[in-house]
Amino acid sequence: QSLLTQPPSASGAPGQRVTISCSGSDSNLGSNPVNWYQHLPGTAPKLLIYRSTQRPSGVPDRFSGSKSGTSASLAISGLHSEDEGDYYCASWDDSRNGPVAFGGGTKVTVL
Amino acid sequence: EVQLVQSGAEVKKPGTTAKISCKVSGYSFSDYFIHWVQQAPGKGLEWMGLIDPGDGETLYARKFQGRVTITADTSIDIAYLEVSSLSSQGPAVYYCARSQGRDGPLDVWGQGTVVTVSS
Repeated sequence: QSLLTQPPSASGAPGQRVTISCSGSDSNLGSNPVNWYQHLPGTAPKLLIYRSTQRPSGVPDRFSGSKSGTSASLAISGLHSEDEGDYYCASWDDSRNGPVAFGGGTKVTVL
Repeated sequence: EVQLVQSGAEVKKPGTTAKISCKVSGYSFSDYFIHWVQQAPGKGLEWMGLIDPGDGETLYARKFQGRVTITADTSIDIAYLEVSSLSSQGPAVYYCARSQGRDGPLDVWGQGTVVTVSS
């Protein structure tokens, strides 16, 4: 069982906005930033958001992240067909269950 | 260009050990941590452990402690993952990735190595 909880699936039509939640605890999201990774079929995972809200160079501003307390979220606005894939939150965890925790992943489907 | 290039797919027998390599280029190997992440069949990403190539210090996830060994050879800029006691559960994919600081984001990933366990 993952230390970070994500919904298993999310979907939206092209152009719509999709939000993915990530719920943790004091030992991870409550005291550490969250990173988000995009994992498209047949490719390696890619860093999408780091330190909760920052986008690496080359990531479109359609992707945005936020964090409050022990929860975080990733928003994809203006959904594109190529956004279809799996999305993972991850955070450092200060408990003995860590030190790095991934969420279970959310499969985004573009309708 | 920063690259992490992993070794090719492997087929192993149950109970044996797989050793996967991750060759880095385009940056100073000792300046970044190397992490290993598993994707078991039908499952999500799971963090296995990390190494600081600068001093060889390692950290492992509790689940993999004792079954996984991570090493690094700074003379040839390669990190290794050894996974022992392999079981037949379908092909798993192993990824290496780097971070600046042990708790930093994994900003560059290898292409993944598929390990199939079959008798």
